[in-house]
Amino acid sequence: EVQLVESGGGLVQPGGSLRLSCTASGFTFSRYAMAWVRQAPGKGLEWVSSISGSSGDTFYADSVEGRFAISRDDSKTTLYLQMNSLRAEDTAIYYCVKDLSDNGWYFNFGDSWGQGTLVTVSS
Amino acid sequence: AMTQFPVTLSVSPGERVTLSCRAGQSIDSNLAWYFQKPGQGPRLLIYAASTRATGIPGRFSGSGSGTEFTLTISNLQSEDFGVYYCQQYNKWPPFTFGQGTRLEIK
Repeated sequence: EVQLVESGGGLVQPGGSLRLSCTASGFTFSRYAMAWVRQAPGKGLEWVSSISGSSGDTFYADSVEGRFAISRDDSKTTLYLQMNSLRAEDTAIYYCVKDLSDNGWYFNFGDSWGQGTLVTVSS
Repeated sequence: AMTQFPVTLSVSPGERVTLSCRAGQSIDSNLAWYFQKPGQGPRLLIYAASTRATGIPGRFSGSGSGTEFTLTISNLQSEDFGVYYCQQYNKWPPFTFGQGTRLEIK
């Protein structure tokens, strides 16, 4: 059974940093592209960033480009999101998402989602 | 941009319902549908516009291509009430979601 468990969320002041982690199990992590998708309180879904499984290519939404960095450690089956220069509008639940395909290329859509970790940016 | 309609739909269990999703430009069949209940992460229902994901019952069906897509749910069950999202993966980044359709019990 696929499991994605996010951690690292919490309360941070504007301008601060956080690193989110997603520990994966139940599948061959290295073979899959992964992504982070967020959901502001009471709002819809917003793709944040994704990383391929094979080449390690990374992609970002314009709203986080230059502030966030996605990475992965296949030996630890863990996905990360380093978030710097946080703003109030970054407040959201952050979901770790696994792509459907095991070709390891680029993320397209998520067939498995974690329960999410809440990030609150406030003074 | 992806636009979903209606925003909210009130229906009774056992009924059949159709949700719509419109793309601002053609996305071929590169569309996924998700379902989310409060306090939970989304669940994949449909991909490639009409392919059911693993474990999704046959009462869920997707159709469409280009710019117009629909998700039809037959014989609504109590567990089907929540929010439905569409997502395009034709041209990215960014991957874009619709704003969601909330399905409520009448």
